[in-house]
Amino acid sequence: EVQLVESGGGLIQPGGSLRLSCAASGFTLRSNYISWVRQAPGKGLEWVSVIYSSDSTYYADSVKGRFTISRDNSKNTLYLQMNSLRAEDTAVYHCARGKDSGSPYLFDYWGQGTLVTVSS
Amino acid sequence: EIVMTQSPATLSVSPGERATLSCRASQSVSSRLAWYQQKPGQAPRLLIYGASTRATGLPVRFSGSGSGTEFTLTISSLLPEDFAVYTCQQYHNWPITFGQGTRLEIK
Repeated sequence: EVQLVESGGGLIQPGGSLRLSCAASGFTLRSNYISWVRQAPGKGLEWVSVIYSSDSTYYADSVKGRFTISRDNSKNTLYLQMNSLRAEDTAVYHCARGKDSGSPYLFDYWGQGTLVTVSS
Repeated sequence: EIVMTQSPATLSVSPGERATLSCRASQSVSSRLAWYQQKPGQAPRLLIYGASTRATGLPVRFSGSGSGTEFTLTISSLLPEDFAVYTCQQYHNWPITFGQGTRLEIK
């Protein structure tokens, strides 16, 4: 069974850093396209970042230069390193699997999410 | 980027009745349109992709239609477990974008 389980969220002050994790099971992370998608309170979903099976990475303009996506193949775990956090980064962060190479941004499995709150 | 607009924001329907949800794209996304269901505290669930293809295991009471800029999700006979938030997403152009969601509530 495919599962994605996020962790690492919490309350952090503006300007701080946080690392989110997404533990995958039931499939091999490195063979898939995996994204982070966030949802701010009362708002819609917003795509944040993706890592391809080729190790290429891409970011939304809103987080470029501040967030870094990576994975540990030995642990089958995805990460999102978030630096210089801002109040507008407050959201539930989900990891999501791209359905296939032809539709890497069509998400067939999602995690439940982890809440990040940026506030002083 | 492509803006996805969903209507209505909230839809009140009685169990057993039909629900029709709309999604409009600011420019053509061909048929690269997906629908997701979200319930509080749960992972979003893929329902429809390619505008009209049901995800594995999805009941036939769910159907999607449309192409280009206008799309519809129809739930033919609502069950209690269908009351949730429904979000559309285009995956035709980068960056991919989502609608704001339609909350389907019990009337």
